[in-house]
Amino acid sequence: DTEVTQTPKHLVMGMTNKKSLKCEQHMGHRAMYWYKQKAKKPPELMFVYSYEKLSINESVPSRFSPECPNSSLLNLHLHALQPEDSALYLCASSQEPAGGYEQYFGPGTRLTVT
Amino acid sequence: AQKITQTQPGMFVQEKEAVTLDCTYDTSDPSYGLFWYKQPSSGEMIFLIYQGSYDQQNATEGRYSLNFQKARKSANLVISASQLGDSAMYFCAMPPGGGADGLTFGKGTHLIIQP
Repeated sequence: DTEVTQTPKHLVMGMTNKKSLKCEQHMGHRAMYWYKQKAKKPPELMFVYSYEKLSINESVPSRFSPECPNSSLLNLHLHALQPEDSALYLCASSQEPAGGYEQYFGPGTRLTVT
Repeated sequence: AQKITQTQPGMFVQEKEAVTLDCTYDTSDPSYGLFWYKQPSSGEMIFLIYQGSYDQQNATEGRYSLNFQKARKSANLVISASQLGDSAMYFCAMPPGGGADGLTFGKGTHLIIQP
C-alpha cells in the first residue's frame, strides 16, 4: 500500500476562518512533507517532519502552522489566510528523511481563500 | 542550492511515438539523486523513476527510462510508445542539497499526446 490520503479534497475559507488540512499514511514512513503549488507552477516545499520532529521551515508565514501528532498523521492548521494563499496543498511521505528515497504524494487539497 | 532546468514548457507528441523530456541540473554535492514525477490534471504527483548519481546504469521502469549524462548534468526522461494517458505535467526534481530534505522541482513540461 503506497497511499497517502488527504482531507478535505476542496476547501473554501474566509480570511478570518480557522481550518485544518489532514494527511495520513500507513506505510511506516518516517518523513512527511507539506508542499504548496500555485497554478501552472511547480510545488514548493513548506515543511518537513523527520521522525515526528519539524526539521525544516522554509520561511513560511506563521498563519500556516504544521503539526505531527504521530508518525502516521500530519496536519496543517490555517488561520487568517490571504487570497494569495489559494493553492493546491500537497502532502508527501518518504521512507526515511534522506535524499535517496522517493516521496509518495497525496491527491492534495485545493484551497480557495475568499 | 540546486538548480533544475526544464526547457520545454509544452510538447505535442503523436500516440505510440517515443518522447524525450529534457532536464538539466546544477549541484555542488558529490552525491545526489534525481527524480521524475508525473502530475495529471487531477493534481496528484506520481513518482515515475529515480537515478542516483553513482548508479552504474541508467534507470528504467517499464516504459520510462532515464538518459543520464553526468558530465553534462542532464537527466532526460524517455517515454517509449506513448499513450493518451501519458498526457500530464512532468517534473524533474532533486533534493535541495547540502544534506537538506525535501525536493526542489523544475518548472515542468506539459506533455500532450495526440491520437
